[in-house]
Amino acid sequence: EVRLVQSGGGLVQPGGSLSLSCAVSGFTVSSNLMTWVRQAPGKGLEWVSVIHGGGTTYYADFVQGRFIISRDNSKNTLYLQMNSLGAEDMAVYYCARAGAGYDYWGQGTLVTVSS
Amino acid sequence: EIVMTQSPATLSVSPGDRATLSCRASQSVSSNLAWYQQKPGQAPRLLIYGASTRATGIPARFSGSGSGTEFTLTISSLQSEDFAVYYCQQYNNWPPMYTFGQGTKLEIK
Repeated sequence: EVRLVQSGGGLVQPGGSLSLSCAVSGFTVSSNLMTWVRQAPGKGLEWVSVIHGGGTTYYADFVQGRFIISRDNSKNTLYLQMNSLGAEDMAVYYCARAGAGYDYWGQGTLVTVSS
Repeated sequence: EIVMTQSPATLSVSPGDRATLSCRASQSVSSNLAWYQQKPGQAPRLLIYGASTRATGIPARFSGSGSGTEFTLTISSLQSEDFAVYYCQQYNNWPPMYTFGQGTKLEIK
């Protein structure tokens, strides 16, 4: 059975940092294109970042230089390190496997940016 | 960046009726188009990929069509559990910055 279990998230002050994790079972993270997507309250889905099986990473312009996507092959886990967070980053963040569409998703984790 | 535009923003349909949702890409995405369903408090669920292939476990009342820049999701006979928000997404370009449409809310008439 495929499972993506997210952790991390929570409340952070503006300018602060937060790390999200996505523990995967049922397939190998390093053999797949893995992505982070976010959804601000009441808004649509927004692509954030992706890591290729070979390790190449890509970011949306609005997080470039602030967020870092990575993975730990030994733990089969995907990460998103988020720095310099602002109110505009407040959202539910989802991890997902990217194939022909995003076929498996984590449950989502809420990031709240507030003082 | 490929911009995906969905219409209408909100669609009101009666249970048992047919619903037709549209998605347009700003440039050709071939058949590299997916549809998702999202219910409140839940992660999106993949319905259709390759513009017309149903994902595993998706009922036959869901069908997708189109290629290039124009796509349609049809739900043939709406069930109560189908009322949700639907998103299209292209996965054609490289680097893999796969953009979503803004969503169509399917509500009960």
